[in-house]
Amino acid sequence: DIQMTQSPSSLSASVGDRVTITCQASQDINNYLNWYQQKPGKAPKLLIYDASNLETGVPSRFSGSGSGTDFTFTISSLQPEDIATYYCQQYDNLPPYTFGQGTKLEIK
Amino acid sequence: QVQLVESGGGLVKPGGSLRLSCAVSGFTFSDSYMSWIRQAPGKGLEWVSYISNSGNTKYYADSVKGRFTISRDNAKSSLYLQMNSLRAEDTAVYYCAREVRWVGLVPVDYFDYWGQGTLVTVSS
Repeated sequence: DIQMTQSPSSLSASVGDRVTITCQASQDINNYLNWYQQKPGKAPKLLIYDASNLETGVPSRFSGSGSGTDFTFTISSLQPEDIATYYCQQYDNLPPYTFGQGTKLEIK
Repeated sequence: QVQLVESGGGLVKPGGSLRLSCAVSGFTFSDSYMSWIRQAPGKGLEWVSYISNSGNTKYYADSVKGRFTISRDNAKSSLYLQMNSLRAEDTAVYYCAREVRWVGLVPVDYFDYWGQGTLVTVSS
């Protein structure tokens, strides 16, 4: 199975900061990489699909890039409502799908 | 509006069984691919099982293969997960989620709608 290594596991940043999270796949997954946001006690929410496509209705301060094995998720200007845990997820054509370990984002 | 409502969670002893349900409204269930995804307390997300829109194709995580069975009733717009031989490590919130595999003619694969989750606790 494909393993996803996400870093950092936690991150503290100030409002207005640029925030970057990385995700590395154990093998080439093309651009088959999604990003989700999960707030405490809530279900995950899709933000980015296919590495760089912004889901409808998601603010443009969120972006994603990468292909192959290395991927990046960026919040260009951190807002208080962005406090959450973020997960990458690969799909590589068929299940099993795997998620990264998550990055817990906090306000400094 | 779109709703996915899971039910059937609860406390069960190791070795016991439980059947989860997910009632769907707000989109055409019979056209939709569906998955179950779980999250152990304080942990990350783990995909559990997938079923195609017709119900003919199913996949399972190795951790539940042979113990869990996914099924659906398109007439009732409902998804199910039969869980047998439950173990302590199956303790988690279980989410049902719609899986989008095509956007027009472009192949994709992501979970766009999720339920609120139902908690399964396996403990003696």
